[in-house]
Amino acid sequence: DVKVTQSSRYLVKRTGEKVFLECVQDMDHENMFWYRQDPGLGLRLIYFSYDVKMKEKGDIPEGYSVSREKKERFSLILESASTNQTSMYLCASSLGMTGESPDTQYFGPGTRLTVL
Amino acid sequence: GDSVTQMEGPVTLSEEAFLTINCTYTATGYPSLFWYVQYPGEGLQLLLKATKADDKGSNKGFEATYRKETTSFHLEKGSVQVSDSAVYFCALSLIYNQGGKLIFGQGTELSVKP
Repeated sequence: DVKVTQSSRYLVKRTGEKVFLECVQDMDHENMFWYRQDPGLGLRLIYFSYDVKMKEKGDIPEGYSVSREKKERFSLILESASTNQTSMYLCASSLGMTGESPDTQYFGPGTRLTVL
Repeated sequence: GDSVTQMEGPVTLSEEAFLTINCTYTATGYPSLFWYVQYPGEGLQLLLKATKADDKGSNKGFEATYRKETTSFHLEKGSVQVSDSAVYFCALSLIYNQGGKLIFGQGTELSVKP
């Protein structure tokens, strides 16, 4: 089974702090994704990555950056956390352009971040 | 642009009732369609998928048929259980154009009462 893990289930930070959210997948997937989930808004894509050291902006990249130094790990960085970044953050991975189900995404359990 | 629209929730049903959650989409290409489920306190899990017109995806008693003529992918289950209480997301993927990004609907919360 594909496993996607996220470093924390719950996180509380102060305004202005630098925040790192880590995501690791164990199935050699090419693609990795970061979403935030807010009530009534569904899932919104923040950033995604097709390959190591490669990243592309999603729909709401402002206030976030990402890092993918190794294939299995994709980090989301909040350079200076603000209260409007309080949310549930979900990481996902998918096989990529090859394989039987290249576009099926597998999700981690989520990190609920509160910024005070 | 490409988008997914789901019926608004919450949907409240009694156990053993019939479930339909409507999903329609707008896409310029030929998308794959998905239903994901999110149980309380958890991430999303793939429930079922369909990759071309007239395909039927099914899993755990849930079904959805890819209807190109009505651009729909409605989720159905004949007899719901309390354990089906969750949030359900419809999504589409245009892998060759968009690199496998998923576009999600806003989610429909289902609550099943005993």
